Amino acid sequence: QKEVEQDPGPLSVPEGAIVSLNCTYSNSAFQYFMWYRQYSRKGPELLMYTYSSGNKEDGRFTAQVDKSSKYISLFIRDSQPSDSATYLCAMSVSGNQFYFGTGTSLTVIP
Amino acid sequence: KAGVTQTPRYLIKTRGQQVTLSCSPISGHRSVSWYQQTPGQGLQFLFEYFSETQRNKGNFPGRFSGRQFSNSRSEMNVSTLELGDSALYLCASRTSGRAGEQFFGPGTRLTVL
Repeated sequence: QKEVEQDPGPLSVPEGAIVSLNCTYSNSAFQYFMWYRQYSRKGPELLMYTYSSGNKEDGRFTAQVDKSSKYISLFIRDSQPSDSATYLCAMSVSGNQFYFGTGTSLTVIP
Repeated sequence: KAGVTQTPRYLIKTRGQQVTLSCSPISGHRSVSWYQQTPGQGLQFLFEYFSETQRNKGNFPGRFSGRQFSNSRSEMNVSTLELGDSALYLCASRTSGRAGEQFFGPGTRLTVL
């Protein structure tokens, strides 16, 4: 079993929709949870960073961590065509070594 | 502030050769990590360097090695290249006081023929 599981999609939504992206994990010691966005031919870009559990909001993006269910989510409100990218979740126990999901490909259709 | 830079951006090598990739972290960042990204396996951790010392290592064979210099710049070396080493190699840097917040470079696309 992989440390981090993520549905690869692809996910296609109309502009303005609410997008929900999810990851599950098996290691209950994970404390750091991140979401990255990766455009084609680019390196991943850090979107959201959460320590321990709870919610974090930044503009149109909301990250949720449910440690009891070993489940994290990223919500994108009012999705835009510029949000079309691959979204990667990542986790770490100590903040030194990170485990990534395989990424979910998202397309927002104008 | 300049981001993480990686050189070269693209490389084509043949099996059996070796290759060296370079990474310059964000100014002030002392931790540099290397990852391999492939369509099937996603992002896999290779190793992390901090203050010229390897601090963590992923599950890769000894053909993959790295080092870090006193100015925090890092190099990654792959010897005896195999076809399966074709991948995007990403470097990420972070400050010691902000665990979890790492910033990636654009990557080096390595193709092994």
